Amino acid sequence: EVQLVESGGGLVQPGRSLKLSCAASGFTFSNYGMAWVCQAPTKGLEWVASISTGGGNTYYRDSVKGRFTISRDNAKNTLYLQMDSLRSEDTATYYCARHAGTGSSYYFDYWGQGVMVTVSS
Amino acid sequence: DIVMTQTPSSQAVSAGEKVTMSCKSSQSLLYSENKKNYLAWYQQKPGQSPKLLISWASTRESGVPDRFIGSGSGTDFTLTISSVQAEDLAVYYCEQYYDTPFTFGSGTKLEIK
Repeated sequence: EVQLVESGGGLVQPGRSLKLSCAASGFTFSNYGMAWVCQAPTKGLEWVASISTGGGNTYYRDSVKGRFTISRDNAKNTLYLQMDSLRSEDTATYYCARHAGTGSSYYFDYWGQGVMVTVSS
Repeated sequence: DIVMTQTPSSQAVSAGEKVTMSCKSSQSLLYSENKKNYLAWYQQKPGQSPKLLISWASTRESGVPDRFIGSGSGTDFTLTISSVQAEDLAVYYCEQYYDTPFTFGSGTKLEIK
């Protein structure tokens, strides 16, 4: 059974950093592109970033470029999102999601349960 | 960026009724080399994470009831639920994975009368 379990969320002040983790199990992690998708309270879904199977290719939405870094450790079956210079508008639930194939030009076939990030002073 | 527009924003139907919801993209999602539409539909029930229903505009995921039907091509897409059940109460999102940034529609909230 595919499982994606996020951790690392919480309350953080504007301008500070936070690192999210996503522990994957039930599939060969290194064979799939991975992504982070967020959802602000009572709002819709917004893609944040994606990473290729080996980690060599990364893609970001414009609003997080230069502030967020997606990475992965295939030996640990774990996906990460380093979030720096956080802003109040980054407040959201962050979902770890699996791309359905090796690249990023695939839909998201499995999602984690999400982790809440609140940016507030 | 490709803009995804979903209508209606909400819809209330009785169990057993047929419901259709629309998703339009600001540019074609049909990739000429493989003739595939890069469009997915997700269901998000209250308090839950999204669940994939349909990929490539019309391919139903394993385990998804056959009352969920995806159709359309190019820029116009439709999700039809042939006979709504109470458990279909959810927000439905379309998403384009043709190009980054991947973008979602704003969702159609399905309410059961």
